[in-house]
Amino acid sequence: EPEVTQTPSHQVTQMGQEVILRCVPISNHLYFYWYRQILGQKVEFLVSFYNNEISEKSEIFDDQFSVERPDGSNFTLKIRSTKLEDSAMYFCASSDGAVWVGDEQFFGPGTRLTVL
Amino acid sequence: DAKTTQPNSMESNEEEPVHLPCNHSTISGTDYIHWYRQLPSQGPEYVIHGLTSNVNNRMASLAIAEDRKSSTLILHRATLRDAAVYYCILLGESEEKLTFGTGTRLTIIP
Repeated sequence: EPEVTQTPSHQVTQMGQEVILRCVPISNHLYFYWYRQILGQKVEFLVSFYNNEISEKSEIFDDQFSVERPDGSNFTLKIRSTKLEDSAMYFCASSDGAVWVGDEQFFGPGTRLTVL
Repeated sequence: DAKTTQPNSMESNEEEPVHLPCNHSTISGTDYIHWYRQLPSQGPEYVIHGLTSNVNNRMASLAIAEDRKSSTLILHRATLRDAAVYYCILLGESEEKLTFGTGTRLTIIP
C-alpha cells in the first residue's frame, strides 16, 4: 500500500540553525500539506501546496518557514532560523484530490524536531 | 470557536462496539463530517466521512443525525489496536486544511 515517508525521523538542532524536513508524498497525489504537533497539544495546520504554489498557510507559517517541491517527488519544509518553540513533531500529508468532498489526507509518520 | 464538541475520553472493552459522539450544532448545509484518528506515536489517519446519509467502510460506520447537528462514529468490534485519539472534523466548501480539536481519547480494556 502506498505511503507517505518522512526523513529524518528525529532531527536535533541548535537554536538559530536552519533545518530542512523532507517528505516523499504518495506518487500521483496533487495536494501536499505540513502540520505540526507540539508535545501534548493539538495537531496544527501549517501550509497547503497545490500546483507548485502555496494555496493556504496558517499564522504559524511566517517568513521563517518555506516549502518546496524541488524535483516532482520530494516535498520539503525549511525553517530558516529555528527557535526553541519550533520543537514539535512535523507531519507531512498528501491527497489525491479535494479533501472536503472526501479524498482522504494520507499522513507520514512524522519528524520529531528538537531545538536546543 | 469550536465547530465540533467531543468527550475528552472514553473507555470500552475489547471486542465490544464503541460509539464515539460528536456534536456540531452550527454545521452548515455544505459541511462534510470527517473522522480521523491518531494512534500512539503515529500521524493521523483517515477513518470515514459523510454528508447526510449514514456511511460504512471497512474500518467503521458513521451515523449522522437527521438534523446533522450530531454524528456518531461506530467501531463495531473494538480491538486493542483501536486505542487512539479520534477527531471529528467539519470541512466546508473548498476547505482543504484539517482543523484538529482535542478529540476523544479511546482506551480499550483487554
